[in-house]
This record gives sequence, structure tokens and C-alpha cells, in this order.
Amino acid sequence: DSGVTQTPKHLITATGQRVTLRCSPRSGDLSVYWYQQSLDQGLQFLIQYYNGEERAKGNILERFSAQQFPDLHSELNLSSLELGDSALYFCASSLNSGPESGELFFGEGSRLTVL
Amino acid sequence: GENVEQHPSTLSVQEGDSAVIKCTYSDSASNYFPWYKQELGKGPQLIIDIRSNVGEKKDQRIAVTLNKTAKHFSLHITETQPEDSAVYFCAASIGMEYGNKLVFGAGTILRVKS
Repeated sequence: DSGVTQTPKHLITATGQRVTLRCSPRSGDLSVYWYQQSLDQGLQFLIQYYNGEERAKGNILERFSAQQFPDLHSELNLSSLELGDSALYFCASSLNSGPESGELFFGEGSRLTVL
Repeated sequence: GENVEQHPSTLSVQEGDSAVIKCTYSDSASNYFPWYKQELGKGPQLIIDIRSNVGEKKDQRIAVTLNKTAKHFSLHITETQPEDSAVYFCAASIGMEYGNKLVFGAGTILRVKS
């Protein structure tokens, strides 16, 4: 158990809909990272927050947004969903401000299926 | 560029044999190279990492080597066991306009046959 909690574990929805994925980082970790894992794209970095502020941005679509709340949990909002958004979405956390500072602890992921 | 190439995509070895997975990166400024293991139904987990000021690092049956000049690094697993079967990802830290990100390779499915 990594200590990172993601909900929901599975989600099935229709094209055009909006969903919110939630992540609670390990106790004491200040950084939260979101990754998208699909069969053809591997693990793609979406965005990172550190202590409530956006720290780094990757290949995140404009239809997607995220935030980190004062209690350090994070939410990833996916809107106007398309079939190609079906993937496993991972949240990871770390103590420090950058991934080069040490280990990322990954949750078990939220599997999104868009029909 | 910010590519991390990983080979092979699948690897089958007999229990007790060694397994080697290789990665190359494109950003010469990259200075941190972790390896993650992902078991079925779980998130990736760090197994070993290496920084650019070190050429080799070992942890029991696992070792990682780094060649900065050639911009490639490798994972070596000796005396493989069935529980080593998983997907292995290499990664490299890439600097951005602000902050850094980890860019992952496409993964290697390792099967250890008993």
C-alpha cells in the first residue's frame, strides 16, 4: 500500500460527459502528480501541484483541469469526454517540489471507460 | 527533445537467468533516472534510481548503469524469480519552462518462466 488513495477505482460514462477523479496523497507529501496511462501512449504526465500551486504542466488537454486543495487532496476534472480519453489515470505524490527530488508514490489508479 | 526510448517491449527469461532492459534519453540536461515496477492492477513502484553523478548503483539483485555520454541507462536483474514478472518502466527527469517532469519509457513486460 503506497498510502495514496484514488477514487473512484472504475468509472464508465458516455461521450460528452464530465467526470471528477479524486486523489489523497500520502500523509506529509506536498506534491501531487497526475498521469494518464493508455496502451498506445504509455505513462503520460499531465500536471503537478505543490502545496496548492501548479508546479509543472505536461500534455494536459484544455478539456482537462486539476486543482489541489488546502488539505492537499487533488481533483482531476475531465470534461467533454471522448472515446480516446478512456485510460487509467494515476495520481502520485512526493514530499518535495520536483520529481527529481525522490520517489513518487503512485495510487492504484482510476480506470475511466468512455462509451 | 524529451523522448525516452525503452527496449525490449517484452522479455521472457528462465527463472535464475538475468534480465537486461535498456533505455535512451534525448535531453542532455536530464540528471535523474528512476526505474519503476508495475504489477497487475497496481500503480508503478520505484525499485531503484540513479543520478547523473553516479555510473552504477546496486541493490541486491538489481543494478542500474548510466552512460551520460551515450545518454543511455540500463536495468539489470540477476537470478530472476517468478515474482519479478511485471512491467518495468524507465524514466528520465526533463526540465521545463518551470519545474521538471518525469518522462517514462513505453515499458517492458518481463516474464520469468519457472
